[in-house]
Amino acid sequence: QKEVEQDPGPLSVPEGAIVSLNCTYSNSAFQYFMWYRQYSRKGPELLMYTYSSGNKEDGRFTAQVDKSSKYISLFIRDSQPSDSATYLCATDSSASKIIFGSGTRLSIRP
Amino acid sequence: DGGITQSPKYLFRKEGQNVTLSCEQNLNHDAMYWYRQDPGQGLRLIYYSQIVNDFQKGDIAEGYSVSREKKESFPLTVTSAQKNPTAFYLCASSNPYVNNSPLHFGNGTRLTVT
Repeated sequence: QKEVEQDPGPLSVPEGAIVSLNCTYSNSAFQYFMWYRQYSRKGPELLMYTYSSGNKEDGRFTAQVDKSSKYISLFIRDSQPSDSATYLCATDSSASKIIFGSGTRLSIRP
Repeated sequence: DGGITQSPKYLFRKEGQNVTLSCEQNLNHDAMYWYRQDPGQGLRLIYYSQIVNDFQKGDIAEGYSVSREKKESFPLTVTSAQKNPTAFYLCASSNPYVNNSPLHFGNGTRLTVT
């Protein structure tokens, strides 16, 4: 079993829709959860990070962690074509090692 | 502008040749990393370095080598021993002295070996 599992998609939704991206993880010791966004032929960039369970909101983006079910989500409201990218969830297994999900490719149709 | 520069963007090599990928950062970060990205597999850690003149193997170090002679530079050599070298290679850096410091990535080098 992979330590972080993520549906690779692709996911295609119309502009303005709410997008839900999800990951599961296996180790209950993980505490710090991140979402990276990667545009085509570019490096990933940090989008959001959260500690423990709960929600964190930043503009149109909301990151949610449910530690009881080992489930992390990223919601995008009012999705825009510029949100089309691959989204990678990640978590810290140690101070020097971050484990990434395989990424979900998202396409927003105008 | 602070950031990470990877060069070249595209690299083509014949099987059996060693090739070195460049990574330079001006963020003054102590820690640097090399990841490999393949379709459907996410990012896998090859090597990382927390300080100059020191580095550790990641999950898939076989067939790769690194050096860390300067804080700003962390070149990766893909040797002929790497069985499947064609991939997208990403270099990253972070500040290990800041709690949960995020990774800053370069824009990658796409290596094709034929």
